[in-house]
Amino acid sequence: RKEVEQDPGPFNVPEGATVAFNCTYSNSASQSFFWYRQDCRKEPKLLMSVYSSGNEDGRFTAQLNRASQYISLLIRDSKLSDSATYLCVALIGGNKLTFGTGTQLKVEL
Amino acid sequence: NAGVTQTPKFRVLKTGQSMTLLCAQDMNHEYMYWYRQDPGMGLRLIHYSVGEGTTAKGEVPDGYNVSRLKKQNFLLGLESAAPSQTSVYFCASSFDWIQETQYFGPGTRLLVL
Repeated sequence: RKEVEQDPGPFNVPEGATVAFNCTYSNSASQSFFWYRQDCRKEPKLLMSVYSSGNEDGRFTAQLNRASQYISLLIRDSKLSDSATYLCVALIGGNKLTFGTGTQLKVEL
Repeated sequence: NAGVTQTPKFRVLKTGQSMTLLCAQDMNHEYMYWYRQDPGMGLRLIHYSVGEGTTAKGEVPDGYNVSRLKKQNFLLGLESAAPSQTSVYFCASSFDWIQETQYFGPGTRLLVL
């Protein structure tokens, strides 16, 4: 079983829609979590961290559910520019950064 | 600031050939990392460095060597390329160890025939 699992998608949504992705992790020792964004054929870039209390940055909200071992990313009012692959990342044991395979989002007119 | 740069951007090798990928960062970061990204798999750590003159193995180090002779540069070498090493290679750097904000280079696409 992969340590970090994501639905690969693609999620095709109309502009203005709200979309949510989940990511599950198997190692309960996972300490910190992040969402990275990766545009097609580009490098990953940090989107936001995921705190136990939740984290909101504009249209983006990240949440952590330790009991069920998943994190989520909610995007409100989707823009065409949000089209990308979203990588779920877990820091395990303080020294191992584990990347998910990513969820592809396509926002359409 | 250029951030993290990688050379070359794309390369085709024949099985058995060798090559070196160069990563450079101008942010004075202590920590640097080499990852590979393959379809259906997440980014996997090949080697990393916690400072000038130091290197360590990551998750998938076999077939690769690295050197960090200067703080700003991190080299990844393939001594004898194999088709299984066809991948996209990303270099990253961070101010602190596995800091959430890892800055990635644009990647090197390598095809081994």
